[in-house]
Amino acid sequence: QKEVEQNSGPLSVPEGAIASLNCTYSDRGSQSFFWYRQYSGKSPELIMFIYSNGDKEDGRFTAQLNKASQYVSLLIRDSQPSDSATYLCAVTQAGTASKLTFGTGTRLQVTL
Amino acid sequence: KAGVTQTPRYLIKTRGQQVTLSCSPISGHRSVSWYQQTPGQGLQFLFEYFSETQRNKGNFPGRFSGRQFSNSRSEMNVSTLELGDSALYLCASSGGIGGPIGYTFGSGTRLTVV
Repeated sequence: QKEVEQNSGPLSVPEGAIASLNCTYSDRGSQSFFWYRQYSGKSPELIMFIYSNGDKEDGRFTAQLNKASQYVSLLIRDSQPSDSATYLCAVTQAGTASKLTFGTGTRLQVTL
Repeated sequence: KAGVTQTPRYLIKTRGQQVTLSCSPISGHRSVSWYQQTPGQGLQFLFEYFSETQRNKGNFPGRFSGRQFSNSRSEMNVSTLELGDSALYLCASSGGIGGPIGYTFGSGTRLTVV
């Protein structure tokens, strides 16, 4: 079982819709959770991070964390074609705050 | 301010050779991490250096090594290259005590082993 799992997609949503990206993790000791966006041929860029159970909102993005169920999700409201990218979920464990364990990413396609 | 600079951008090596990749972090950043990205395995953590000391290490064979200099620049070395080492190698730097919050990734070095 992979430590961090994501559906590879592609996830296709129409422009203006809500895109929902999901991620599950296996280590209950995971402490911090991150969402990165990676455009084709580019390096990852941090979108959001979350530590506590519940929701965290930043503009059109909302991260949701449920530690009991070991999943974290990213909602993108009012999806735009420029949101088309691969979204990477990453976690850290206690004592290794600088080591990110990544999922393999979900490719999002926002269609016109 | 300048971002994280990785050199070279592209590299082609022959199996059995060794290679050295370079990473210059953002000015003032003391933590540098290295990741390998492949289509099958995704992004995998190699190691992290902070103030010239390796602070964390991933699950890669000893052929993969790194170091950090007093100016925080870091190098990564892969010896006895294998075909499976073909990947995008990404470096990320962070200020302060490190941690993924402040990490900025470089553009990467794409290594092809033939």
